[in-house]
Amino acid sequence: QSALTQPASVSGSPGQSITISCTGTNSDIGLYNYVSWYQQHPGKAPKLLICDVSDRPSGVSTRFSGSKFGNTASLTISGLQAEDEADYYCSSYTTNTSLIFGGGTKLTVL
Amino acid sequence: QVQLQESGPGLVKPAETLSLTCTVSGSSINNDTYWGWIRQPPGKGLEWIGSIHHSGSTYYNPSLKSRVTISVDTSKNQFSLKLISVSATDTAIYYCGRDPDYVPNHFDFWGQGTLVTVSS
Repeated sequence: QSALTQPASVSGSPGQSITISCTGTNSDIGLYNYVSWYQQHPGKAPKLLICDVSDRPSGVSTRFSGSKFGNTASLTISGLQAEDEADYYCSSYTTNTSLIFGGGTKLTVL
Repeated sequence: QVQLQESGPGLVKPAETLSLTCTVSGSSINNDTYWGWIRQPPGKGLEWIGSIHHSGSTYYNPSLKSRVTISVDTSKNQFSLKLISVSATDTAIYYCGRDPDYVPNHFDFWGQGTLVTVSS
């Protein structure tokens, strides 16, 4: 099964809002509300930001929010901060009882 | 706070077996949750390998299923990964994590990761 499709890079200035898209198919994102988002800083393990499309785990900033429309999920980061510069990955459960990730998006804070 | 720690050889020869163990602390591996492995080739994206429940129920990535075995040792609060017939493409940072759902969904706690290089 192919990876979910994410833009390779996005950028924004401090204080702005940015959105990262994650496109799948009607066998994964389009069928299940099991979409998650992770943030990964260089040399660190990924950190869960969003689960089940739009739920924020305890301790995650409210500046991070998730949504889904059809086969595409989105992560929005509002009030961009320098510390948000990192790689971001989406994931989804699929019809063949597996988990697939997106290729990752590098966020640059200008 | 749940903590996970990967351990195992950092270098494996081609065609041999990669074996890693994840030790869980701060939580019982017998809790009703899945525990899994994820890998990341250097400079590349994440790939889910598979997940296991303390009951022994497993889910595997279809692309790796023929080479992967994940097992659990409840007496040691550990779970393990075996990947046979490795090649250079299996070189990656291997992470273990906790998936609190009933299907492969999301990982809320991760180990720090361990780099495994496949080379002669």
